[in-house]
Amino acid sequence: EAQVTQNPRYLITVTGKKLTVTCSQNMNHEYMSWYRQDPGLGLRQIYYSMNVEVTDKGDVPEGYKVSRKEKRNFPLILESPSPNQTSLYFCASSPPRTGTGDQPQHFGDGTRLSIL
Amino acid sequence: AQSVAQPEDQVNVAEGNPLTVKCTYSVSGNPYLFWYVQYPNRGLQFLLKYITGDNLVKGSYGFEAEFNKSQTSFHLKKPSALVSDSALYFCAVRDNRGSTLGRLYFGRGTQLTVWP
Repeated sequence: EAQVTQNPRYLITVTGKKLTVTCSQNMNHEYMSWYRQDPGLGLRQIYYSMNVEVTDKGDVPEGYKVSRKEKRNFPLILESPSPNQTSLYFCASSPPRTGTGDQPQHFGDGTRLSIL
Repeated sequence: AQSVAQPEDQVNVAEGNPLTVKCTYSVSGNPYLFWYVQYPNRGLQFLLKYITGDNLVKGSYGFEAEFNKSQTSFHLKKPSALVSDSALYFCAVRDNRGSTLGRLYFGRGTQLTVWP
């Protein structure tokens, strides 16, 4: 089954304790992205990756890091989490554009982080 | 800059009635437009997209959307709403230029509630 898998689904932690949220896709997609979802703000992009070893900042990258060493994995790292990073996080992937068409993004089920 | 606006935070409709969820966009060049739906505790699911061609696009679960270039709108519609359509709906536009190729910009979301 084609899917994007995020782990953990839920996490409560404390300020300053480094954490990593993993994201893995089994569709051989080149493009991967991380979003955070906050009430009234919709989804905001944190980082994205066009392919292996190619990453770039989205709209709200501060306080986050990513890496893309393999095509299937795109972990999100919070080196020193703070309460304002409490949010619902989504990973997504898609193939690149092909011709005049465009492909939708496939989303994971989300990771709810609470930073105390 | 690319942007999407969903002017209604909430839409309420009775089961069996037609529904419309509004979306307007701002983009340089030709827009690639998407609608996604989010059910509780799940990631976003793709509903439909407009790339080119007919202005009326049909998608999953009986939904359709009408692209109107002059009004820069892409409203989501369904002729007869179901209680099971109750969910959070996101409109998104894709960036097709230069260094930010492939990025999706989301609206803030519209909560649709269908009353039995």
